[in-house]
Amino acid sequence: AQTVTQSQPEMSVQEAETVTLSCTYDTSESDYYLFWYKQPPSRQMILVIRQEAYKQQNATENRFSVNFQKAAKSFSLKISDSQLGDAAMYFCAYRRNSNYQLIWGAGTKLIIKP
Amino acid sequence: DAEITQSPRHKITETGRQVTLACHQTWNHNNMFWYRQDLGHGLRLIHYSYGVQDTNKGEVSDGYSVSRSNTEDLPLTLESAASSQTSVYFCASTGTSGDEQYFGPGTRLTVT
Repeated sequence: AQTVTQSQPEMSVQEAETVTLSCTYDTSESDYYLFWYKQPPSRQMILVIRQEAYKQQNATENRFSVNFQKAAKSFSLKISDSQLGDAAMYFCAYRRNSNYQLIWGAGTKLIIKP
Repeated sequence: DAEITQSPRHKITETGRQVTLACHQTWNHNNMFWYRQDLGHGLRLIHYSYGVQDTNKGEVSDGYSVSRSNTEDLPLTLESAASSQTSVYFCASTGTSGDEQYFGPGTRLTVT
């Protein structure tokens, strides 16, 4: 069975600095998708970034980028120039290509220090 | 704009009562999901549906049921509420590409 592990329950970073959130996963599949979702205090789940496993190039969305290491089954999220609005829970998720179900990590709480 | 809504946003009920949480989406998505969120567990899949009349059990389906009579709605029923079902419940949907799951605002359920 596939599993997703986020080993950092909480991280803190100074405003304007860079922070990296870790995620590892376990799968025997070769074709899959990985996601980072953000959940601010409002509780709304928001997609941050998506990576297709068949793509070697790391996905980027403005200040957010990933380091996808397929062989190591690692999928970390880098947030550059951290802003106060980045404070939230961040969840890593995995989806097999053959279905639509997401498997979630336990989340990392990101604190931004002003 | 398309959206996904849940009602009620907050619910307090007593042990043993039947409770139904509503989920309605206007994305015209075939695929809909119910999750529960508990501290330290992330989101766990309760039930999902890939179309009208299709329902499937997820990881933590015991004590829950769903029905899908149209594309827009996937109500979640707790047959006999238990204190262990106190949680935040999220409904989500996704289209054929599965590129993104769109989430409702969540329902906080307390079972006393």
